[in-house]
Amino acid sequence: AQKITQTQPGMFVQEKEAVTLDCTYDTSDQSYGLFWYKQPSSGEMIFLIYQGSYDEQNATEGRYSLNFQKARKSANLVISASQLGDSAMYFCAMREGPNFNKFYFGSGTKLNVKP
Amino acid sequence: GAVVSQHPSRVICKSGTSVKIECRSLDFQATTMFWYRQFPKKSLMLMATSNEGSKATYEQGVEKDKFLINHASLTLSTLTVTSAHPEDSSFYICSALRAGQGSYEQYFGPGTRLTVT
Repeated sequence: AQKITQTQPGMFVQEKEAVTLDCTYDTSDQSYGLFWYKQPSSGEMIFLIYQGSYDEQNATEGRYSLNFQKARKSANLVISASQLGDSAMYFCAMREGPNFNKFYFGSGTKLNVKP
Repeated sequence: GAVVSQHPSRVICKSGTSVKIECRSLDFQATTMFWYRQFPKKSLMLMATSNEGSKATYEQGVEKDKFLINHASLTLSTLTVTSAHPEDSSFYICSALRAGQGSYEQYFGPGTRLTVT
């Protein structure tokens, strides 16, 4: 089974609108971490937001928020007030394992922000 | 913020030669570094986990003898692609975990694009 599933290969959003990028995960560990990264065309991976499995509050970082639904094993990224510079690939990732050193990435979602 | 560098950023080599890629944490110590491979328009695939002073842990399907990883210090890990072939052409990305308890974030290098002709 896929550890991280991103079902949206591509998304379009109008500038200044909000967009939700979907992510579901699969783990039997009690302790794990969920991440979202942005990868522009330059190739660098940019950390956006982190959610720990024991965190009760949804993580927020500026315009980014993570909608964490533990029972559903989903960790959707919400970007508010989209900007043209948000156009990029977005990857959801999970960290788990006995030493917390196993990372798994989803297949990514290509977000295009339209002016 | 924490900075991770990779060198070289791009490399073209001939089939059969070996290529070494360096990953350095510039302003922090990294007990653990990861090496990923990314095909065009695809996700990152974890190749191996590198711990300072010990042997790397390779993911299933990754050839240890082909992708040699050395983590000689807390700020440097190297990936050597031995006897490279065109199918090894890819984007290789390293990341580093900052030493210390409670560190959950991995800091990524800018990547190395390898082309084998």
